[in-house]
Amino acid sequence: QSALTQPHSVSGSPGQSVTIACTGTTSDVGSYNYVSWYQQRPGKAPKLMIYDVNMRPSGVPDRFSASKSGNTASLTISGLQADDEADYYCCSYAGSYTVIFGGGTKLTVL
Amino acid sequence: QAQLVESGGGLVKPGGSLRLSCAASGFTFSGYYMSWIRQAPGKGLEWVSYISDSGGNTNYADSVKGRFTISRDNAKSSLYLQLNSLKIEDTAVYYCAGSPPRYSLDTHDIWGQGTVVTVSS
Repeated sequence: QSALTQPHSVSGSPGQSVTIACTGTTSDVGSYNYVSWYQQRPGKAPKLMIYDVNMRPSGVPDRFSASKSGNTASLTISGLQADDEADYYCCSYAGSYTVIFGGGTKLTVL
Repeated sequence: QAQLVESGGGLVKPGGSLRLSCAASGFTFSGYYMSWIRQAPGKGLEWVSYISDSGGNTNYADSVKGRFTISRDNAKSSLYLQLNSLKIEDTAVYYCAGSPPRYSLDTHDIWGQGTVVTVSS
C-alpha cells in the first residue's frame, strides 16, 4: 500500500497560517474518520497533535486544527510560531487492522 | 507519567535476526493496542505491526509479513518484535507506540524514544 501523499515542504512567516494536505484513497482517508496528525522534531519521537480527523489531545494549542473532505485531510496551523518548525505526518486507519502514514511535510517558519 | 522504553537494536548482517523489546510504565499497558513503527534514515514513518490488548490479534505491513513477529507480555508490561531474515532496507529507527482504549489504531498517544536497527554486511 502506498503512503498517503503530502507536500514535501511548506513554509510561512510567524503569525501566518499554513495548511498541509494529505491525500489518500477510498480505502483509507476516504473510508474512515480516523485520521491523525503527528509532529516530529529532529531526533525526537513523533507527538500526537490531532486524532479522529479534528480532535486535539489535551495540551495541544488550538492554533492546530484539522479537517477532512473526501479522500483528503488537512492540517492548519494558525498564528505560526518558530517552535512549530518540524516535520508533520498524517496517518489514517486503512481497515483490517492496518495503518498508513503520509510521507511527511517539513514545515519551515521563515 | 506514561513511558515506553525500547531496547534491543543493533548492527546485524543481512539474513540475521534481532529481538526488540519495549518496556511500558505509568499507564495500564494491558488496555492498550500496541504498534511498532519504523523510520528509515532521512525517510518518513512506516507502520510495521500491531497487536491487540490481549495479544490475540496481530497484523503486519506487507513489507515485513512472514519475517517479523510481534508479541506482548501484559504481566511484564512489555512488547516485543522478533525480526528475522533481515534485509538492508529494514535499517531504521524502530518505535513502539500505544493506542489508548476505545481509540482508533492510528491514534498513538504514547511513543518510545526509538531503537536503531542497522542491517549491513
